[in-house]
Amino acid sequence: GDSVTQMEGPVTLSEEAFLTINCTYTATGYPSLFWYVQYPGEGLQLLLKATKADDKGSNKGFEATYRKETTSFHLEKGSVQVSDSAVYFCALSGNTGKLIFGQGTTLQVKP
Amino acid sequence: GAGVSQSPSNKVTEKGKDVELRCDPISGHTALYWYRQRLGQGLEFLIYFQGNSAPDKSGLPSDRFSAERTGESVSTLTIQRTQQEDSAVYLCASSLGFDQPQHFGDGTRLSIL
Repeated sequence: GDSVTQMEGPVTLSEEAFLTINCTYTATGYPSLFWYVQYPGEGLQLLLKATKADDKGSNKGFEATYRKETTSFHLEKGSVQVSDSAVYFCALSGNTGKLIFGQGTTLQVKP
Repeated sequence: GAGVSQSPSNKVTEKGKDVELRCDPISGHTALYWYRQRLGQGLEFLIYFQGNSAPDKSGLPSDRFSAERTGESVSTLTIQRTQQEDSAVYLCASSLGFDQPQHFGDGTRLSIL
């Protein structure tokens, strides 16, 4: 069945460091891909999405490119801030719309 | 408010009791999803409602779990004869359609003693 694998955390970075969180997927067909974020004490929010191969999703300085050839959707940010500390979830959506999530990666950014 | 609303926010109950969790989707959203998030893990899909179509129940872990939705409004997730393994955060999401972004509620944290 469809699945998502993302790098284990926690990831600890200093402010202004470069961030990469790896995400790979297994799916039949052509799923849409998402990154969701859960800030401390808050609900899950959509961060960005891409619906077809080579699409780049971006939001709040974060980017991810849908790579069909490597079945990946890695999340990147050039300069992280303390306020980016959160749990990040990679997910895919099949033709029924239900989301299949990775296990989540905790990011901690230190000043 | 304009977001997805879930109640209660926290529920503590004894093993063997039944619990009912409620989700109020965003008005106009025809699709509604239930997910479960166990401690330190990703979200697991439970059930999906789309308009008046038969729900997709493929993620329900056992026959102790059931859910209902009246039209395009409120949904309730019921867990009968709760077990300690049912302890988790139960999240509800709604969207304008199956191919539209899902908006999540804050969840119900269920603890089984």
